[in-house]
Formats: sequence, C-alpha cells, structure tokens
Amino acid sequence: QLQLQESGPGLVKPSETLSLSCTVSGGSISNTSYYWGWIRQPPGKGLEWIGSIYYSGSTYYNPSLKSRVTISVNTSENQFSLKLSSVTAADTAVYYCARHGVEELDYWGQGTLVTVSS
Amino acid sequence: QSALTQPASVSGSPGQSITISCTGTSSDVGSYKLVSWYQQHPGKAPKLIIYEVSKRPSGVSNRFSGSKSGNTASLTISGLQAEDEADYYCCSYAGSSTFWVFGGGTKLTVL
Repeated sequence: QLQLQESGPGLVKPSETLSLSCTVSGGSISNTSYYWGWIRQPPGKGLEWIGSIYYSGSTYYNPSLKSRVTISVNTSENQFSLKLSSVTAADTAVYYCARHGVEELDYWGQGTLVTVSS
Repeated sequence: QSALTQPASVSGSPGQSITISCTGTSSDVGSYKLVSWYQQHPGKAPKLIIYEVSKRPSGVSNRFSGSKSGNTASLTISGLQAEDEADYYCCSYAGSSTFWVFGGGTKLTVL
C-alpha cells in the first residue's frame, strides 16, 4: 500500500523559507505513470494546488505561487521536497503531498500544519 | 476566490439524495473529462471518491456518482448516510502548466 508522509518545521518566521519533504513508501517515486504534488489548505478554507514534479525533475507550478516555489525530487531516497520563499501569515496552512496522474490525485499524505509567525 | 465554483453548503436527510454542482470554464471543466471529487472529514486528508467525471475508485460506494455538462460538473450522493457528512471538493485538470484547479468546497450536513 502506497504511503506518503510529510515532514518539516511546524513554525516558520515571516519572510523566511518554508521547507517540507514528502517520503514515499510502498512504491517507487520513479514510476513513470505518476507525478508528485503539493497541495495546501489554509485553516477553514479550501484546497490549493501548489505544484508538482515528475521523477525526471520536470516541474509544474501554480502561476500564482510560481515566483516563490521550488519543488525538487530525490529518487535515491524516494522523496520530494517543497520550498516556499518569503512566507507571510497567508501561507499558514496544512500542507499535503500527493501522488497523481492526469486523471486524479489518488494518494495523499496525512498533511502537516505550518504556521507562519514570529 | 477559487477557480471552480461550488455551493458553500448543502443538506439532506438520511436516505435522501443530494447534488453538488461545480462550475468552471471552457479552460478547465469544459475542456477535459478530468473532473475529480474528494471527500474530506474534519482533520483528515481528502479522499478521492470520483475521477474522470464519473468513475469510482475501488472501495467507494456506488451511492456516489458524477456527471458533467458543459462547464459544470456534478456530484450526486444517493441514500444519504450520517457518515457522508463532510466537506466535498471538486477538482479539474486545467492543462499541462496549471495542472489542477479546485472548487472552494461544499459542506454537506446530514440532518
């Protein structure tokens, strides 16, 4: 059974860079059928796709966040990572990692709350 | 403001049917048969319940069904049960650069 697990600091200061990792177990991140993405959900609000990466390193970003987002992949460790720079309180959210094709996001991590505060 | 428009809330009594709409544009919902729906209970990750407009993943109840007409997709839940009370999000593929756009979510209350 495929599992995804987010990890990283739960508190980030304003203007700093948010960094999260997602570890994939029970399957290979190099599977050519899938992409690996990040989605976030501010408290009490809806879902927002942040960006995705293919095992080869090709990246796709939400245009509204593109200038601040970097997603990378480490196939040897079966992990992919998110960096979001110049964070503000508006970036406070539960951050999810997920697997997807073009049809759907079929496996999700449990999510991790990141709070931006001094 | 979300890219896709959903009603903020819907409600129904046990055993009844409800439908949640999801309106997009010709650039997303209207262009692709790639609408998916997710169920989210409080404090939990979203769970895929419908993909490719009307397909159900293995293990999802056949009480959940999806459809699409033009720029609007719909999720119907028949035979409402207490456990169906949750937030529901629609999502559409929007092209290779944008990938995914979500609706703002609909809170389903089972009366």
